[in-house]
Amino acid sequence: EAGVAQSPRYKIIEKRQSVAFWCNPISGHATLYWYQQILGQGPKLLIQFQNNGVVDDSQLPKDRFSAERLKGVDSTLKIQPAKLEDSAVYLCASRHTGGNVYGYTFGSGTRLTVV
Amino acid sequence: GQQVMQIPQYQHVQEGEDFTTYCNSSTTLSNIQWYKQRPGGHPVFLIQLVKSGEVKKQKRLTFQFGEAKKNSSLHITATQTTDVGTYFCAGNYGGSQGNLIFGKGTKLSVKP
Repeated sequence: EAGVAQSPRYKIIEKRQSVAFWCNPISGHATLYWYQQILGQGPKLLIQFQNNGVVDDSQLPKDRFSAERLKGVDSTLKIQPAKLEDSAVYLCASRHTGGNVYGYTFGSGTRLTVV
Repeated sequence: GQQVMQIPQYQHVQEGEDFTTYCNSSTTLSNIQWYKQRPGGHPVFLIQLVKSGEVKKQKRLTFQFGEAKKNSSLHITATQTTDVGTYFCAGNYGGSQGNLIFGKGTKLSVKP
């Protein structure tokens, strides 16, 4: 099966600019996650979707970050305006709900550098 | 809040030596997952442990879940250069609808 697709792979922006990331999960995976991974740290959850509904966005900095999954498939994550501390890899992951498949499948991520 | 602690942060071994990383939570976990991230790559799912005291093996890798479901370990026997990467434990506190809280990872380097 195809993996989780993310784009772009790399992005460099100046602080206070806006940026958007796109994710296409594995077909049929109802649950989608966005994680932020700062260099040298473990991934930190930003938001969790179940189909097109938000399950958990408690750690999403809502003053500057937003995410949507309008049709329950693709998702976009936006940062506006970006800060230097937003420099990180943004990972999208999906998971099949139910059955015997438990692990998250991560995309290759988008490496964001804010200068 | 819910937090997963992982030690050590780094481990340098000679090829052929064993390696162990430990994961600890202050509160009971629903389950725990382990991931491997190669340099420049993304986390790749290795295994999930659900039951108290569970032990699972994958070739040279042995995963354990503590009796109280608060700690876990990953042991690699006779490391190889292909084992290089960062190993993350990720705790789930919320059952089937829960999300994963990742530890900071243990970065393993293997000297040939």
